Amino acid sequence: AQSVAQPEDQVNVAEGNPLTVKCTYSVSGNPYLFWYVQYPNRGLQFLLKYITGDNLVKGSYGFEAEFNKSQTSFHLKKPSALVSDSALYFCAVRLTGFQKLVFGTGTRLLVSP
Amino acid sequence: ETGVTQSPTHLIKTRGQQVTLRCSSQSGHNTVSWYQQALGQGPQFIFQYYREEENGRGNFPPRFSGLQFPNYSSELNVNALELDDSALYLCASSLTSGGPTDTQYFGPGTRLTVL
Repeated sequence: AQSVAQPEDQVNVAEGNPLTVKCTYSVSGNPYLFWYVQYPNRGLQFLLKYITGDNLVKGSYGFEAEFNKSQTSFHLKKPSALVSDSALYFCAVRLTGFQKLVFGTGTRLLVSP
Repeated sequence: ETGVTQSPTHLIKTRGQQVTLRCSSQSGHNTVSWYQQALGQGPQFIFQYYREEENGRGNFPPRFSGLQFPNYSSELNVNALELDDSALYLCASSLTSGGPTDTQYFGPGTRLTVL
């Protein structure tokens, strides 16, 4: 069965510092990996995805993620955090040919001024 | 190009009642997926509709049912509401079902409270 783990409930970072939000996954086949962001009382907003190819994926708002097959990880990163990046971040996995996204429990990012 | 829209925004029901939630997919998308997000949790897959047919279902009981219409909009119906059905219900649309370029784009959600 597919599963996603986000080991940190909350990540705190100062504005201007780099940020990392961690994600590890467990699947029996080749995964498609996604990051979504959720602002209060809003739906999920797509940030980026890994399908195949280059392990470093660039997405919206300056975010990027690195796919590491040997460590089964897909950590979200940004070189310089903004206060407006404060939100709930979800990592998700989907198997080739399957429909459903399996989400982690989410990581709350708090960027302080 | 309009994004995914959902109605209503909020809904309050009592235990045992029935509810219908609605979703309009993004222009050009023929696939709609529904998710339940309980407080403090990640979204859980309910089911997906592709070209008006159910195309995959998560671990939800039969009292959760759905429809997709010829214009690819969709409804989620929940019968015999239980307190644990209180959650944010998210609809997502995608160009296709399960393809490598398939990205699901989410609507703002419907907050259902069951008293």
